[in-house]
Amino acid sequence: DAGVIQSPRHEVTEMGQEVTLRCKPISGHNSLFWYRQTMMRGLELLIYFNNNVPIDDSGMPEDRFSAKMPNASFSTLKIQPSEPRDSAVYFCASSRGQYEKLFFGSGTQLSVL
Amino acid sequence: AQTVTQSQPEMSVQEAETVTLSCTYDTSESDYYLFWYKQPPSRQMILVIRQEAYKQQNATENRFSVNFQKAAKSFSLKISDSQLGDAAMYFCAYRSPYSEKLVFGKGTKLTVNP
Repeated sequence: DAGVIQSPRHEVTEMGQEVTLRCKPISGHNSLFWYRQTMMRGLELLIYFNNNVPIDDSGMPEDRFSAKMPNASFSTLKIQPSEPRDSAVYFCASSRGQYEKLFFGSGTQLSVL
Repeated sequence: AQTVTQSQPEMSVQEAETVTLSCTYDTSESDYYLFWYKQPPSRQMILVIRQEAYKQQNATENRFSVNFQKAAKSFSLKISDSQLGDAAMYFCAYRSPYSEKLVFGKGTKLTVNP
């Protein structure tokens, strides 16, 4: 199994631009999570899906952030418009089901200039 | 809300020696799950060990073991026979039985000296 696949690995953009991060979970996994890691705040859950349905989006910082999971094998996290304070590493993770072991992708390093 | 505290931003250990990383947490729940994750320079988060609060026996995975003190809300990680490949950031995490959300500590950077 290829594991959780995230793209791009690095993204550099200018303030105000739209950014889309992509994630392919492990095949057969029903739960998908988006986490953000910064030096100041550490690792925070942004949103998670179960069977493609958003279950908890209370961690999404503001309306500029949106996440979708159109099918079981793909999810996106979009930031529009991006701001310098959005610079962070964004992780996608998946699990076989509720309360099962979590597998993380390698993350996307986002830099907003 | 639950919180997780790792009071040691950095630790170092000599190769082949033993090191203990500290973690405390705050919760009003009686049942929950605790985890240690490793984040090497490759950035990927890797599960090291997991403990269910209802289990009194401390979890062990090869050279990694925990000291779970429920009353003290303490969950330390012991790494025995440290290896150069153990060098990484280590994160303690909490999960409620009612949610899939992981609450992470700020991490401890472990350096292993040859």
